[in-house]
Amino acid sequence: DAGVTQSPTHLIKTRGQQVTLRCSPKSGHDTVSWYQQALGQGPQFIFQYYEEEERQRGNFPDRFSGHQFPNYSSELNVNALLLGDSALYLCASRYLSGRYEQYFGPGTRLTVT
Amino acid sequence: GQNIDQPTEMTATEGAIVQINCTYQTSGFNGLFWYQQHAGEAPTFLSYNVLDGLEEKGRFSSFLSRSKGYSYLLLKELQMKDSASYLCVLGNTPLVFGKGTRLSVIA
Repeated sequence: DAGVTQSPTHLIKTRGQQVTLRCSPKSGHDTVSWYQQALGQGPQFIFQYYEEEERQRGNFPDRFSGHQFPNYSSELNVNALLLGDSALYLCASRYLSGRYEQYFGPGTRLTVT
Repeated sequence: GQNIDQPTEMTATEGAIVQINCTYQTSGFNGLFWYQQHAGEAPTFLSYNVLDGLEEKGRFSSFLSRSKGYSYLLLKELQMKDSASYLCVLGNTPLVFGKGTRLSVIA
């Protein structure tokens, strides 16, 4: 049973560029959440997708957008990258009506130079 | 709003017991999680408390007091592999994470 997978593992981008990160949820899960984790901090919620719609959003600017596909996989897009966007981006999945804990993917380490 | 406080760093000796405390403020409560996160890796689920009391799972136990806004994670028989960050997390929707306690286990 595959867990949550994310790609790519690492990414280096330049200020002003755009980036797309990808996530495949754990088998049987239908809800995907994205988090940003800066060094030495806890993860910060970006948004959550369920049934291909953004259901909740954290305190992040519109430069952060996402998508969920019919197979429940998801993308996180960040436009006009800033140095402060450098972080570990985590994807977590769960079954909305099922058990309470979220399962996290290994993350994508984004470095903006 | 929500707020979570936990110590930034702790050090303990291999084989010992360590208690990581967490205090929180929240307007609505939907349980409290503890996650373990090794450096550069994803958080992994350790425990979930929604009622007051102690939940035991092998070497790890978690306690909750809703009236005091307090939880702790107890790790027994510490091993070197327990060196990690431990995140106290409010089970609201969405999850609200503390900054984590970095535990170093020394020989």
